[in-house]
Order: sequence, then structure tokens, then C-alpha cells
Amino acid sequence: DGGITQSPKYLFRKEGQNVTLSCEQNLNHDAMYWYRQDPGQGLRLIYYSQIVNDFQKGDIAEGYSVSREKKESFPLTVTSAQKNPTAFYLCASNSGLAGNNEQFFGPGTRLTVL
Amino acid sequence: KQEVTQIPAALSVPEGENLVLNCSFTDSAIYNLQWFRQDPGKGLTSLLLIQSSQREQTSGRLNASLDKSSGRSTLYIAASQPGDSATYLCAVVREKLVFGKGTKLTVNP
Repeated sequence: DGGITQSPKYLFRKEGQNVTLSCEQNLNHDAMYWYRQDPGQGLRLIYYSQIVNDFQKGDIAEGYSVSREKKESFPLTVTSAQKNPTAFYLCASNSGLAGNNEQFFGPGTRLTVL
Repeated sequence: KQEVTQIPAALSVPEGENLVLNCSFTDSAIYNLQWFRQDPGKGLTSLLLIQSSQREQTSGRLNASLDKSSGRSTLYIAASQPGDSATYLCAVVREKLVFGKGTKLTVNP
């Protein structure tokens, strides 16, 4: 089955800790995205990558970091500099082609800061 | 800056009713528009993608229309069922997606 997997499903972090959220896709998509979802605020873009070894900041990149060493993988690190990291994090991908860039999402990771 | 608005924020209907969800956007320079469904605590499921050159797309009981000139899209759900209860989000696409905040739909048996 082709799709996007995210792990873990639930993650608990103590203040001051860095944590890394995993995102893997087997859709052979070039572009990958990380979003944050908070109640009443909709989805906000954190980082995106349109090709391996390249990525750009989204609207709320402060306190987050990413890497894109493989086409299939786009991990997100939530650093201790992120002041309010408790949220639902969604990874997505698309083919990167302007004419047909239907976006697909993973099941999400819920991060809670203790 | 592109802004996407979805009205209403919440909608409750009896089973079997036909309904329309609305999505409006401020900048008509888009590549396409995508409708998603999100169940509580889950990721987003793609429902329909409308290319900028298209006027509508259909999938089963769902029909989505796009009017770029007026900055509007509608999602029509025919013969609604309790299983349709979810939050529906629209997103306009250019270099990246810009999302509305969604419409929470409840279909009562």
C-alpha cells in the first residue's frame, strides 16, 4: 500500500528537550511538508522540501528544524526553543508537479509537553 | 497574502439532506483547489482536487465546483449520512497550500 507514515502517534516531551517526529512516504513524491494544527487555528506550514537536500521555511519555522537526506524521509525536530510545542503535527507530500499536485497526508503525531 | 474562509464553521443536518459547504479565497491566481475530510484525531483525507482550468469535479455523492473569478468553491454532498460527520477543509494551491479553518459537519440519524 502506498502512503505516508508518521511515528510515533503520541509523543510526550519534558520542557527543555528536543524531540524528532518521523515522516516516511513510499509514493515516490518529490515534495514533502510539515504542518502544525491547533484548535481554532487551522493548519499552519512549518517547513517544506521540494527536492532532496533542499528545504524552505514555512510560516512558523522558529523553534523547528528539518532534514531531507532521502526522498522518502522528512523528519521534523521540535527544539527547546519552540515556546509552545503542544499540538497535532501533520506530514504531507505531493508529486511536486504544478499541473497535478494533489496533496496527501499522514495520520499525524500528537505532541504534548509535560 | 492569500486568505481562505470557510462558512459556516459548523453545520448540523438530519440524515438524507443535501448540503453545501462554502469556501472563498482572496487571490484568484491559484493552480488548483483541494477539498479534504478530517475525522477527530486523524490526518486529512483528500476528497477532490479541482484544477484551475476546471469548473467542477465529482466523486460519488460529492461534487465540488470552482469559480476562480469570484474566488469561490462549493462542496455539495448529496443524501448525507451519519458517516459523513467530520470536519471538511478546503485549501488553495499555488507554490504551497493555504487552508481554511474548516466546517464541522454533523449528520444526525
